Order: sequence, then C-alpha cells, then structure tokens
Amino acid sequence: KAGVTQTPRYLIKTRGQQVTLSCSPISGHRSVSWYQQTPGQGLQFLFEYFSETQRNKGNFPGRFSGRQFSNSRSEMNVSTLELGDSALYLCASSFSSTGELFFGEGSRLTVL
Amino acid sequence: AQKVTQAQTEISVVEKEDVTLDCVYETRDTTYYLFWYKQPPSGELVFLIRRNSFDEQNEISGRYSWNFQKSTSSFNFTITASQVVDSAVYFCALWTSYDKVIFGPGTSLSVIP
Repeated sequence: KAGVTQTPRYLIKTRGQQVTLSCSPISGHRSVSWYQQTPGQGLQFLFEYFSETQRNKGNFPGRFSGRQFSNSRSEMNVSTLELGDSALYLCASSFSSTGELFFGEGSRLTVL
Repeated sequence: AQKVTQAQTEISVVEKEDVTLDCVYETRDTTYYLFWYKQPPSGELVFLIRRNSFDEQNEISGRYSWNFQKSTSSFNFTITASQVVDSAVYFCALWTSYDKVIFGPGTSLSVIP
C-alpha cells in the first residue's frame, strides 16, 4: 500500500510569492489534514478535509487555504508569503477523524 | 480548552536504560482519543498507539509500554532497555469532539551508545 505522498519535498520562495503544496493520501483514506511544523511552534493544525469539505480549520490567517479533490488528493496554498511561513508542511491522511494519522515526509518551504 | 503538555523538552539516556516520556492532557470532553507518534531524524511522523478515553488498560508492545491514567489526565510512554534507534522526537496528541488532532510540543530523546 503506497504511503502519503507530498510534493514538492523542498522549495524556496521569496516574500510576497505564493506556493501550492500537494498531498496524495493513502488509497481509501478520505480525511486529509495539514500541519505546519516549526522549531518554535511545534506542530500546528492548519485544516482538515473530508470528502472535499473542509471540516475544521486552525488559527491561521486567510493566506492559508486548501482544497480537496474528488479523488481525495489535497492541495494547500499560501499566498503573499512571509518569512515566518518558512516551515515543514506535513500532510496526513486517515480513514476517519479519530483514526491514526499517516504522515507524508513533508514539504520543506523556505521563504527568503 | 484542549491542550497537550509534554514537560520534558529533551531527554538523554545511555543505551539500555529505561526512559519514561510524560504527557498530560486537558479536555472537558468525556470522549476523546490519545495518540503517540515518533518522528525520527528522517522527519516522517510514525504512529505508535491510539487509546480512547474509555479504555484505561495499560498497553505493552515489545519494549514500549503506555500508562493511561484518567485521574491525573496523563498518558505516559515508557521505553524499556532503550536503543540508539529510539532516538527521535516523540509527540503525544489528543483528538476531541472539536474534531481535530492537537499535538504536544514533543520530547526529543537521545539514546547514547
């Protein structure tokens, strides 16, 4: 069974640009969650999608958005990048919201 | 409020020592789930265990064991006879009816050969 796949793995952007990150969940998993991981703030919940609907959202500004497609693949977008957006962005899929999360390797974003 | 506290930021032990990682959680929900995840240096978080709020049985899996005590809102994790491969950051996490998983700050464990 293929795991959670995130692309790209690494990317460098400059302030003001926007970025789109992609996540392909494990086959059969309909829930996809996104987390931001930084040394100072740890793992912060961004949002969760289930069957193309955003089910929950963390405390992030509107510059952070996401969506889920009918095949459960998900994307997150960050517009008007700031230096503080530099982080490891982790995607996790699960069969249900109370089930264990299966994480991808993450997309490491550096904003210069 | 939902919150997970892992008071130990970093722990260092010598190989073969036992080590316990503490986790204290806060929630007013009566139905919730607790998790432990491991993040090795490679970066990918790996699921270790899930416990629901109605199951206070302790669990043992090989060298790993978990002690869930609702009376103290704790879900501690013990590694027996630690090995170098256990070096990682360990996260305790909580799911409640707010329908999202909240992670603690993590405990970085270093096992020295």
